[in-house]
Amino acid sequence: QITLKESGPTLVKPTQTLTLTCTFSGFSLSTSGVGVGWIRQPPGKALEWLALIYWDDDKRYSPSLKSRLTITKDTSKNQVVLTMTNMDPVDTATYYCAHLEEGKDGYKPFDYWGQGTLVTVSS
Amino acid sequence: QTVVTQEPSLTVSPGGTVTLTCASSTGAVTSGYYPNWFQQKPGQAPRALIYSTSNKHSWTPARFSGSLLGGKAALTLSGVQPEDEAEYYCLLYYGGAEGVVFGGGTKLTVL
Repeated sequence: QITLKESGPTLVKPTQTLTLTCTFSGFSLSTSGVGVGWIRQPPGKALEWLALIYWDDDKRYSPSLKSRLTITKDTSKNQVVLTMTNMDPVDTATYYCAHLEEGKDGYKPFDYWGQGTLVTVSS
Repeated sequence: QTVVTQEPSLTVSPGGTVTLTCASSTGAVTSGYYPNWFQQKPGQAPRALIYSTSNKHSWTPARFSGSLLGGKAALTLSGVQPEDEAEYYCLLYYGGAEGVVFGGGTKLTVL
């Protein structure tokens, strides 16, 4: 059974750096074809993909946010960490992490999701 | 910046059929974009429905189907149920530096 859970601060100040941790179970990030992604959703708005990290440490970032994002993994702890610098009130959103798998069965991004964590950016 | 476009809203009667579409600003959507579809109800995390154009997850109800239609990805709901009222998002894979892009979502009302 695959589960993911996001953790981190619920409130950050403008210009601060946000660090979110995704702790997962039911799969290993050392297995070929597996990845974890981060997605956010501002209140009442659409989903926005942020970053992806694959089993082989390949990393992909949203072009519009690339300069502010860093994604890393700790395979031994079953965790993926996302940092976002220079936070602004427009970054207020629910942040989700999700499992990804690609292989002969197809490309299955985000087939399992965490519950999400609401991050508010305010002074 | 690549944009993925969906109908903002659609309304369907219970028992009816409705098709949601997903277009890419780069041109026709093909299977190489591995279209995915997600359902999100208020206060909940999104739930994956369709991957790689037309493949269903083990939990996807049979009334949901995915296809390519007129240069777009499409999600068809046949025999719509009241519980299908939700926001639906498509996702396209662009690869390389672009990664993946979500559409703006379609709010489906069952009325």
